[in-house]
Amino acid sequence: KAGVTQTPRYLIKTRGQQVTLSCSPISGHRSVSWYQQTPGQGLQFLFEYFSETQRNKGNFPGRFSGRQFSNSRSEMNVSTLELGDSALYLCASKKFVGGTNEKLFFGSGTQLSVL
Amino acid sequence: QQQVKQSPQSLIVQKGGISIINCAYENTAFDYFPWYQQFPGKGPALLIAIRPDVSEKKEGRFTISFNKSAKQFSLHIMDSQPGDSATYFCAASRGNNAGNMLTFGGGTRLMVKP
Repeated sequence: KAGVTQTPRYLIKTRGQQVTLSCSPISGHRSVSWYQQTPGQGLQFLFEYFSETQRNKGNFPGRFSGRQFSNSRSEMNVSTLELGDSALYLCASKKFVGGTNEKLFFGSGTQLSVL
Repeated sequence: QQQVKQSPQSLIVQKGGISIINCAYENTAFDYFPWYQQFPGKGPALLIAIRPDVSEKKEGRFTISFNKSAKQFSLHIMDSQPGDSATYFCAASRGNNAGNMLTFGGGTRLMVKP
């Protein structure tokens, strides 16, 4: 069974550009969430999608957005990139929304560097 | 505002020893407390999790101890092995409506020396 797949693995962008990251959840998983991981701030929740609807959003500026498609695949977009956006962006999926006993599976992430 | 505080930041343990990592939380609405293990270049992987209605949960060499009144929980790794060398994160979330919205501790980098 394939795990959570994130593409690309690495990205280098310059300030002011925008970027789109992609996530394919485990087959059958309908809930997808995104996290940002940095050495300074650690792991921080960005947003969560279920059935193409955003259910929760973390404390990030509006430059960070996402969406989910009917096949549960998800994308996140960061516009007007800033140096501080350099981070590992992790996608996670689980079978159902809610039911916190459900196991959350993380992908290996997309390492974004903003120059 | 850091709602889950984790200590120590780094830990060195001899092979066969016990590794202990502690976390404290502030939000009494939290009702699910997982621990994640992360190796370099990989995403976090769930190790073990506990709900506040029990004080201890054990899975193999990994044990969570939970103290609801103190708002603290800890991970014990018995018979630590070099393969356990990784970064460990505690986390917390609340209620079914929180979905996957986990609040993570700052992480502990564990090194197990052979």
